[in-house]
Amino acid sequence: QVQLQQSGPGLVKPSQTLSLTCAISGDSVSSSSATWSWIRQSPSRGLEWLGRTYYRSKWLNDYAVFVKSRITINPDTSKNQFSLQLNSVTPEDTAVYYCARQLVGTFDIWGQGTMVTVSS
Amino acid sequence: DIVMTQTPLSSPVTLGQPASISCRSSQSLVHSDGNTYLSWLQQRPGQPPRLLIYTISNRVSGVPDRFSGSGAGTDFTLKISRVEAEDVGVYYCMQGTQSPLTFGQGTRLEIK
Repeated sequence: QVQLQQSGPGLVKPSQTLSLTCAISGDSVSSSSATWSWIRQSPSRGLEWLGRTYYRSKWLNDYAVFVKSRITINPDTSKNQFSLQLNSVTPEDTAVYYCARQLVGTFDIWGQGTMVTVSS
Repeated sequence: DIVMTQTPLSSPVTLGQPASISCRSSQSLVHSDGNTYLSWLQQRPGQPPRLLIYTISNRVSGVPDRFSGSGAGTDFTLKISRVEAEDVGVYYCMQGTQSPLTFGQGTRLEIK
């Protein structure tokens, strides 16, 4: 049974960096078939895919255009997890952040979600 | 980006009665591999989204058979044959055919 467990702070100051981690059990971050994404949800913008990391003979990343200049998603094979860093946050980055596994063109496993508030 | 549009945005339904949600994509969701990556997710209050149906009509293991998906190309439908109290929540369609993956705005299912 695949599970994703998120961790990280729920409050970040404006202009600082949002950092979250997603620990994987029951699958591998190095899977040759899955990809590993971060998605956020807010009342104003709904569900937004932010980016993903995946392994296909080498490590690859895709990022959404609207955060591409501020985002980094990294795998950590030693701990079987992946992380999100979002730089220079503003109050508009306030949202519930989810990690998720993508398989067969959909997100079949989701983390529990982390409410992140950007405020001084 | 592919835009996903759901109707209605809110659906009050009587227990035991059917419900239907429509989803339209701004372009065809047929992938070059021949599959159509249209999924439906359910989000109950306070919980993360949960995958119900993938590739138009395939139910995830454990999902009741009162849930069914249909459609093709750009028009898709989720049907619940007889709504139960546990079905209350928000339903999203999403497309996985083209990056970035995108979601509909959600349809809130509530009991009358």
